[in-house]
Amino acid sequence: GQNIDQPTEMTATEGAIVQINCTYQTSGFNGLFWYQQHAGEAPTFLSYNVLDGLEEKGRFSSFLSRSKGYSYLLLKELQMKDSASYLCAVRDDLRGANNLFFGTGTRLTVIP
Amino acid sequence: DGGITQSPKYLFRKEGQNVTLSCEQNLNHDAMYWYRQDPGQGLRLIYYSQIVNDFQKGDIAEGYSVSREKKESFPLTVTSAQKNPTAFYLCASSTRDTTYEQYFGPGTRLTVT
Repeated sequence: GQNIDQPTEMTATEGAIVQINCTYQTSGFNGLFWYQQHAGEAPTFLSYNVLDGLEEKGRFSSFLSRSKGYSYLLLKELQMKDSASYLCAVRDDLRGANNLFFGTGTRLTVIP
Repeated sequence: DGGITQSPKYLFRKEGQNVTLSCEQNLNHDAMYWYRQDPGQGLRLIYYSQIVNDFQKGDIAEGYSVSREKKESFPLTVTSAQKNPTAFYLCASSTRDTTYEQYFGPGTRLTVT
């Protein structure tokens, strides 16, 4: 089976940096995605990692260690609009092509 | 503009009634998915379809049915057999290339009383 763990809630200050961790166990790992979801809205894609290392995209970066089953999403220069849930999802080939297994999400609150 | 549409945004039904949620995409994606989201839980896969006229059960298919008669459309029927149908339902689509992400529709919030 699959299992994903991420913190339920985090709070950070505007302008600061926050790191959201995700650990996973899965048999047929073939990539990890991070999505942002504002309350009541659709998830939107942030990043994709399949090889070890850091992927940077503007204020957002994502890191993957396959050997440790670990990823993190790093948000820099936090803005109030970054208050949202951040979903970690893994692609597991044993679930069928391109199917994702999602964690419960981390609700981030950015305070002034 | 390319994208995924779901309608309606909010849907109310009485217990015992079947209800169909629509999902349409004009992204020319082969694969489409239905998820359910409940408070405090991750997205759970209900059904998915990799190609027209073919679909597979996901993790929580009981009480749901789908069809995929056209590439653009993947409607979900919530039947009266679904014990806890009240939830936020999200439709997604993707190419069959596994390096690309899934795109999500705006969701339908279904309330059954």
